[in-house]
Amino acid sequence: DTGVSQDPRHKITKRGQNVTFRCDPISEHNRLYWYRQTLGQGPEFLTYFQNEAQLEKSRLLSDRFSAERPKGSFSTLEIQRTEQGDSAMYLCASSSRNMASGNTIYFGEGSWLTVV
Amino acid sequence: DQQVKQNSPSLSVQEGRISILNCDYTNSMFDYFLWYKKYPAEGPTFLISISSIKDKNEDGRFTVFLNKSAKHLSLHIVPSQPGDSAVYFCAARKQTGANNLFFGTGTRLTVIP
Repeated sequence: DTGVSQDPRHKITKRGQNVTFRCDPISEHNRLYWYRQTLGQGPEFLTYFQNEAQLEKSRLLSDRFSAERPKGSFSTLEIQRTEQGDSAMYLCASSSRNMASGNTIYFGEGSWLTVV
Repeated sequence: DQQVKQNSPSLSVQEGRISILNCDYTNSMFDYFLWYKKYPAEGPTFLISISSIKDKNEDGRFTVFLNKSAKHLSLHIVPSQPGDSAVYFCAARKQTGANNLFFGTGTRLTVIP
Protein backbone atom coordinates (compact mmCIF):
# COMPACT_ATOMS: atom_id res chain seq x y z
CA ASP A 1 0.00 0.00 0.00
CA THR A 2 1.57 3.30 -1.05
CA GLY A 3 -1.02 5.62 0.47
CA VAL A 4 -0.62 8.06 3.33
CA SER A 5 -0.02 6.18 6.57
CA GLN A 6 -0.46 7.45 10.10
CA ASP A 7 0.62 6.08 13.45
CA PRO A 8 -0.80 5.43 15.97
CA ARG A 9 -4.35 5.00 14.77
CA HIS A 10 -5.73 5.47 18.26
CA LYS A 11 -4.30 7.14 21.34
CA ILE A 12 -5.87 7.60 24.77
CA THR A 13 -3.97 9.90 27.07
CA LYS A 14 -4.47 11.66 30.35
CA ARG A 15 -4.89 15.38 30.40
CA GLY A 16 -1.56 17.13 30.70
CA GLN A 17 0.45 14.43 28.94
CA ASN A 18 2.28 14.93 25.66
CA VAL A 19 1.40 12.95 22.54
CA THR A 20 3.10 12.60 19.18
CA PHE A 21 1.63 11.43 15.88
CA ARG A 22 3.58 10.35 12.85
CA CYS A 23 2.66 10.64 9.18
CA ASP A 24 4.32 9.01 6.19
CA PRO A 25 3.09 10.66 2.99
CA ILE A 26 2.86 9.14 -0.47
CA SER A 27 6.49 8.80 -1.48
CA GLU A 28 6.54 11.13 -4.48
CA HIS A 29 4.54 13.86 -2.75
CA ASN A 30 6.52 16.84 -1.53
CA ARG A 31 3.58 18.61 0.10
CA LEU A 32 2.25 17.49 3.45
CA TYR A 33 -0.71 18.77 5.45
CA TRP A 34 -2.16 18.25 8.90
CA TYR A 35 -5.89 18.64 9.52
CA ARG A 36 -8.04 18.12 12.59
CA GLN A 37 -11.59 16.80 12.61
CA THR A 38 -13.95 16.88 15.57
CA LEU A 39 -17.30 15.11 15.76
CA GLY A 40 -19.92 16.63 13.51
CA GLN A 41 -17.47 18.89 11.76
CA GLY A 42 -15.45 18.75 8.58
CA PRO A 43 -11.66 18.62 8.63
CA GLU A 44 -9.96 21.89 9.61
CA PHE A 45 -6.56 22.89 8.29
CA LEU A 46 -3.72 23.03 10.81
CA THR A 47 -0.44 23.33 8.93
CA TYR A 48 1.34 22.74 5.62
CA PHE A 49 4.85 21.68 4.62
CA GLN A 50 6.57 21.92 1.29
CA ASN A 51 9.48 19.53 1.57
CA GLU A 52 10.97 20.26 5.01
CA ALA A 53 9.75 23.84 5.22
CA GLN A 54 6.65 24.63 7.27
CA LEU A 55 5.11 27.32 5.09
CA GLU A 56 1.70 27.85 6.62
CA LYS A 57 0.13 27.50 10.05
CA SER A 58 -3.50 27.97 11.03
CA ARG A 59 -4.44 30.05 14.05
CA LEU A 60 -5.90 26.76 15.35
CA LEU A 61 -2.33 25.61 15.92
CA SER A 62 -1.74 26.90 19.43
CA ASP A 63 1.71 27.07 21.00
CA ARG A 64 1.10 23.62 22.53
CA PHE A 65 1.18 22.15 19.02
CA SER A 66 4.33 21.66 17.01
CA ALA A 67 4.84 19.95 13.69
CA GLU A 68 8.06 18.95 12.00
CA ARG A 69 9.17 17.38 8.77
CA PRO A 70 12.93 17.20 9.26
CA LYS A 71 14.01 15.46 6.07
CA GLY A 72 11.10 16.36 3.86
CA SER A 73 9.65 12.88 4.10
CA PHE A 74 7.70 11.81 7.21
CA SER A 75 6.21 14.35 9.59
CA THR A 76 5.39 14.43 13.29
CA LEU A 77 2.71 16.39 15.12
CA GLU A 78 3.28 16.82 18.84
CA ILE A 79 0.71 18.10 21.29
CA GLN A 80 2.08 19.18 24.66
CA ARG A 81 0.07 19.38 27.88
CA THR A 82 -2.99 17.88 26.23
CA GLU A 83 -6.44 19.22 27.09
CA GLN A 84 -9.81 17.54 26.69
CA GLY A 85 -10.59 19.91 23.84
CA ASP A 86 -7.74 18.35 21.88
CA SER A 87 -9.76 15.15 21.51
CA ALA A 88 -10.24 14.76 17.76
CA MET A 89 -9.10 12.87 14.71
CA TYR A 90 -5.81 14.22 13.39
CA LEU A 91 -5.56 13.75 9.65
CA CYS A 92 -2.42 13.86 7.58
CA ALA A 93 -2.57 14.42 3.84
CA SER A 94 -0.15 14.83 0.99
CA SER A 95 -0.11 16.12 -2.56
CA SER A 96 2.35 16.58 -5.39
CA ARG A 97 3.52 19.68 -7.25
CA ASN A 98 1.46 22.80 -7.08
CA MET A 99 -2.21 22.71 -6.21
CA ALA A 100 -2.67 25.21 -9.01
CA SER A 101 -2.32 22.29 -11.38
CA GLY A 102 -5.43 20.82 -9.87
CA ASN A 103 -3.80 18.05 -7.91
CA THR A 104 -5.89 16.86 -5.04
CA ILE A 105 -4.95 16.20 -1.49
CA TYR A 106 -4.90 12.55 -0.45
CA PHE A 107 -5.67 11.79 3.17
CA GLY A 108 -4.46 9.12 5.53
CA GLU A 109 -6.78 7.15 7.78
CA GLY A 110 -6.26 9.52 10.69
CA SER A 111 -5.09 9.25 14.28
CA TRP A 112 -7.81 9.35 16.91
CA LEU A 113 -6.88 11.17 20.10
CA THR A 114 -8.94 10.88 23.25
CA VAL A 115 -7.88 12.98 26.21
CA VAL A 116 -9.35 11.81 29.53
CA ASP B 1 -17.14 31.53 10.06
CA GLN B 2 -18.21 28.55 7.95
CA GLN B 3 -17.28 29.42 4.39
CA VAL B 4 -18.45 26.09 3.00
CA LYS B 5 -21.86 24.88 4.09
CA GLN B 6 -23.68 21.62 3.74
CA ASN B 7 -27.10 22.32 5.17
CA SER B 8 -28.43 18.77 5.02
CA PRO B 9 -26.78 16.64 7.69
CA SER B 10 -28.35 13.47 6.32
CA LEU B 11 -30.02 12.02 3.23
CA SER B 12 -31.70 8.67 2.62
CA VAL B 13 -32.22 7.31 -0.88
CA GLN B 14 -33.49 4.04 -2.30
CA GLU B 15 -31.01 1.87 -4.14
CA GLY B 16 -31.04 2.62 -7.85
CA ARG B 17 -32.36 6.14 -7.42
CA ILE B 18 -30.45 9.39 -7.74
CA SER B 19 -28.70 10.93 -4.72
CA ILE B 20 -28.21 14.69 -4.80
CA LEU B 21 -25.94 16.26 -2.23
CA ASN B 22 -25.75 20.02 -2.00
CA CYS B 23 -23.08 22.48 -0.97
CA ASP B 24 -23.01 26.27 -0.73
CA TYR B 25 -20.07 28.56 -0.30
CA THR B 26 -19.66 32.19 0.59
CA ASN B 27 -16.15 33.09 -0.54
CA SER B 28 -15.94 34.23 -4.17
CA MET B 29 -12.19 33.62 -4.05
CA PHE B 30 -12.72 29.86 -4.19
CA ASP B 31 -11.69 28.50 -7.57
CA TYR B 32 -11.55 24.74 -7.13
CA PHE B 33 -14.01 22.41 -5.47
CA LEU B 34 -13.77 18.81 -4.36
CA TRP B 35 -15.99 16.11 -2.95
CA TYR B 36 -14.66 13.60 -0.46
CA LYS B 37 -16.28 10.45 0.84
CA LYS B 38 -15.62 9.24 4.35
CA TYR B 39 -16.36 5.94 6.05
CA PRO B 40 -16.34 5.70 9.87
CA ALA B 41 -12.86 5.65 11.45
CA GLU B 42 -11.20 6.31 8.09
CA GLY B 43 -9.78 9.39 6.44
CA PRO B 44 -11.64 11.15 3.64
CA THR B 45 -11.23 9.66 0.18
CA PHE B 46 -11.17 11.92 -2.88
CA LEU B 47 -14.17 11.40 -5.14
CA ILE B 48 -14.42 14.09 -7.80
CA SER B 49 -13.45 17.71 -8.34
CA ILE B 50 -14.34 20.68 -10.51
CA SER B 51 -12.57 23.86 -11.48
CA SER B 52 -14.43 27.14 -11.40
CA ILE B 53 -13.98 27.50 -15.16
CA LYS B 54 -16.33 24.54 -15.66
CA ASP B 55 -19.94 24.00 -14.71
CA LYS B 56 -20.01 20.21 -14.86
CA ASN B 57 -17.64 17.32 -14.37
CA GLU B 58 -18.58 13.68 -14.69
CA ASP B 59 -16.85 10.50 -13.58
CA GLY B 60 -18.84 7.32 -13.94
CA ARG B 61 -21.84 7.41 -11.64
CA PHE B 62 -20.71 10.71 -10.10
CA THR B 63 -21.36 14.15 -11.54
CA VAL B 64 -20.59 17.48 -9.92
CA PHE B 65 -22.39 20.63 -11.01
CA LEU B 66 -21.16 24.13 -10.22
CA ASN B 67 -23.30 27.27 -10.29
CA LYS B 68 -20.88 30.12 -9.66
CA SER B 69 -23.48 32.87 -9.68
CA ALA B 70 -25.38 31.08 -6.92
CA LYS B 71 -22.20 29.92 -5.17
CA HIS B 72 -23.65 26.45 -5.16
CA LEU B 73 -22.46 23.03 -6.15
CA SER B 74 -24.06 19.64 -6.08
CA LEU B 75 -22.96 16.04 -6.34
CA HIS B 76 -25.22 13.63 -8.20
CA ILE B 77 -24.83 9.89 -7.76
CA VAL B 78 -26.81 7.75 -10.16
CA PRO B 79 -27.69 5.00 -9.71
CA SER B 80 -27.12 4.99 -5.96
CA GLN B 81 -25.72 1.80 -4.46
CA PRO B 82 -25.64 0.59 -0.83
CA GLY B 83 -21.84 0.89 -0.88
CA ASP B 84 -22.26 4.62 -1.43
CA SER B 85 -23.51 4.96 2.15
CA ALA B 86 -20.97 7.25 3.84
CA VAL B 87 -20.44 10.85 4.87
CA TYR B 88 -19.77 13.17 1.95
CA PHE B 89 -17.74 16.34 2.42
CA CYS B 90 -17.66 19.27 0.08
CA ALA B 91 -14.37 21.20 0.08
CA ALA B 92 -13.13 24.36 -1.59
CA ARG B 93 -9.78 25.97 -2.30
CA LYS B 94 -8.95 29.61 -2.71
CA GLN B 95 -7.28 30.99 -5.79
CA THR B 96 -4.12 29.54 -7.23
CA GLY B 97 -1.33 28.97 -4.75
CA ALA B 98 -3.43 28.40 -1.66
CA ASN B 99 -2.38 25.37 0.34
CA ASN B 100 -5.40 24.42 2.37
CA LEU B 101 -8.92 23.23 1.79
CA PHE B 102 -12.05 24.53 3.48
CA PHE B 103 -14.51 21.77 4.29
CA GLY B 104 -18.22 21.68 4.89
CA THR B 105 -19.68 19.78 7.84
CA GLY B 106 -20.68 16.79 5.74
CA THR B 107 -23.85 15.00 4.68
CA ARG B 108 -24.46 11.42 5.76
CA LEU B 109 -25.89 9.47 2.83
CA THR B 110 -27.75 6.24 3.47
CA VAL B 111 -28.68 4.14 0.47
CA ILE B 112 -31.46 1.75 1.35
CA PRO B 113 -31.35 -1.63 -0.42
